[in-house]
Amino acid sequence: NAGVTQTPKFQVLKTGQSMTLQCAQDMNHEYMSWYRQDPGMGLRLIHYSVGAGITDQGEVPNGYNVSRSTTEDFPLRLLSAAPSQTSVYFCASKTGTGLYGYTFGSGTRLTVV
Amino acid sequence: QQPVQSPQAVILREGEDAVINCSSSKALYSVHWYRQKHGEAPVFLMILLKGGEQKGHEKISASFNEKKQQSSLYLTASQLSYSGTYFCGTEPQGGSEKLVFGKGTKLTVNP
Repeated sequence: NAGVTQTPKFQVLKTGQSMTLQCAQDMNHEYMSWYRQDPGMGLRLIHYSVGAGITDQGEVPNGYNVSRSTTEDFPLRLLSAAPSQTSVYFCASKTGTGLYGYTFGSGTRLTVV
Repeated sequence: QQPVQSPQAVILREGEDAVINCSSSKALYSVHWYRQKHGEAPVFLMILLKGGEQKGHEKISASFNEKKQQSSLYLTASQLSYSGTYFCGTEPQGGSEKLVFGKGTKLTVNP
């Protein structure tokens, strides 16, 4: 099992550019989430999904889109990058309700200049 | 709405104990605890559910006060490897799977 795989690991964008951060998991997990991590702010939820075809907004969804066409993949799209979106992005997944925690990917470090 | 963690930081000597607290203003279904080492991804430690069920790391214990919507993580006989930032995540009642994290508690364990 590869677990949760995020690509790319590093990315530099110019203001106004768009891009997609990829996230894939091979554990057949129903639930997937995207978080951003900034110094002193903890992990903030961007969007999450409870299954294929179902997504919902988290705490900081503005400027980001998601879709979940398959159980395995949960890409995060930046529509028009802004310097305020410079951050480390983590994708996470878990199975079912109950006594399970999230497995995190290794993260994507994004810099918007 | 982010849960509130305290303290923000704690420094221990190896072998000492620590307690990290997490509180929410909302009624909760679950509380999660994770540890993150510098430059790495968060790692799951423990989950506590409303009703008393819990599951987690064998060397770490935690409690969940449902009336106060508070959880505490107990780190006993700390080891150097316990150093890192600890995050609590809370899921509101209703089972939305919307897990929201606090800002973290940085734990440093010195020899």
